[in-house]
Amino acid sequence: DARVTQTPRHKVTEMGQEVTMRCQPILGHNTVFWYRQTMMQGLELLAYFRNRAPLDDSGMPKDRFSAEMPDATLATLKIQPSEPRDSAVYFCASGLVGGALSEAFFGQGTRLTVV
Amino acid sequence: GQQLNQSPQSMFIQEGEDVSMNCTSSSIFNTWLWYKQDPGEGPVLLIALYKAGELTSNGRLTAQFGITRKDSFLNISASIPSDVGIYFCAGRPNSGGYQKVTFGIGTKLQVIP
Repeated sequence: DARVTQTPRHKVTEMGQEVTMRCQPILGHNTVFWYRQTMMQGLELLAYFRNRAPLDDSGMPKDRFSAEMPDATLATLKIQPSEPRDSAVYFCASGLVGGALSEAFFGQGTRLTVV
Repeated sequence: GQQLNQSPQSMFIQEGEDVSMNCTSSSIFNTWLWYKQDPGEGPVLLIALYKAGELTSNGRLTAQFGITRKDSFLNISASIPSDVGIYFCAGRPNSGGYQKVTFGIGTKLQVIP
């Protein structure tokens, strides 16, 4: 059963600490997305990668957020330093552009609380 | 940028009733998507629409791509308790790249047994 795997599922951290969220996309997918979900803003696209190359991170606060794909099986989203306003659920999604169904499949998310 | 208005924002219905929700856009989309999110989970794709006027069903769910390309609706027939969740519409514009999917704010559905 192919699925996007995100770790950790929950994270509570103090303001100023570094946070790293990890994502394992579905094997064979060539596109990875990072979304943030809040009550006020809904689902917002932070960044996305095609074949491990970052194509668009315009939705991401550049001063504290960074996204990488060290290899095809791992995507990371880092926040340093974290702030209370970063509290949200962060979703990773993957898709296969050019495949029969190229829409994004979402992971279960990482619920981040910054205190 | 694009704006999606999704309505209603929440609904309480009796089990067995039919449900209808819709999304309208300020600009044209060439793809409409409908997702469902259960509590503590990520959104799951229900239906994808790629052609104006297209009507697609997935079990008790039916979605349509509006002729104007600026709207879409989702119907759920004979609702059951497991239909509870948040339903999101999402659209992708003509000129946008693969990544430019805009999500609606969601419709929270509660089903009373």
